[in-house]
Amino acid sequence: RKEVEQDPGPFNVPEGATVAFNCTYSNSASQSFFWYRQDCRKEPKLLMSVYSSGNEDGRFTAQLNRASQYISLLIRDSKLSDSATYLCVVGGGTSYGKLTFGQGTILTVHP
Amino acid sequence: DGGITQSPKYLFRKEGQNVTLSCEQNLNHDAMYWYRQDPGQGLRLIYYSQIVNDFQKGDIAEGYSVSREKKESFPLTVTSAQKNPTAFYLCASNGREGSTDTQYFGPGTRLTVL
Repeated sequence: RKEVEQDPGPFNVPEGATVAFNCTYSNSASQSFFWYRQDCRKEPKLLMSVYSSGNEDGRFTAQLNRASQYISLLIRDSKLSDSATYLCVVGGGTSYGKLTFGQGTILTVHP
Repeated sequence: DGGITQSPKYLFRKEGQNVTLSCEQNLNHDAMYWYRQDPGQGLRLIYYSQIVNDFQKGDIAEGYSVSREKKESFPLTVTSAQKNPTAFYLCASNGREGSTDTQYFGPGTRLTVL
């Protein structure tokens, strides 16, 4: 079983749609959780950290369920510029600062 | 500007050659990391360093070597022993985002073996 698993997609949605990505992780000792965004042929960039209480940043909402070892990202009112690969990332539990990356979920928002 | 720089952006290597990828950061971060990314896959950790003059193997260290002589610099050497070196190589350093340590990436180096 992979340490971090995501549905690779691709997700193709129209502008204005709401889309949700899910992710599961296997290490119950994990302590930090993130969503990164990666544009084609670019480096990953931090989108948001994920907290147990859930957190929101504009159109983006992230949720964490530690009991189920599940992380989600909800994007509301999708924009063309949201087209990218979204990486679920889990850290802690073992080596200092080490992160484990999911393979990414591809999102394409079309007009 | 503060940030992480990697050079070169593109690198072509002949089989049997060693090449060194540069990574520099001026963020005063202690921890630095090297990852490789293959098409359609997540990032895999090659080596990491928590402090100057110390580094640890990651999940796929075979065929790679690193050094950490200065806090700002963490170069990666891809040796001829690496069987499939063509990939996108990403360097990262660890910083604080709110109450959480997180990683920030350089722009990457695309290595192609001819």
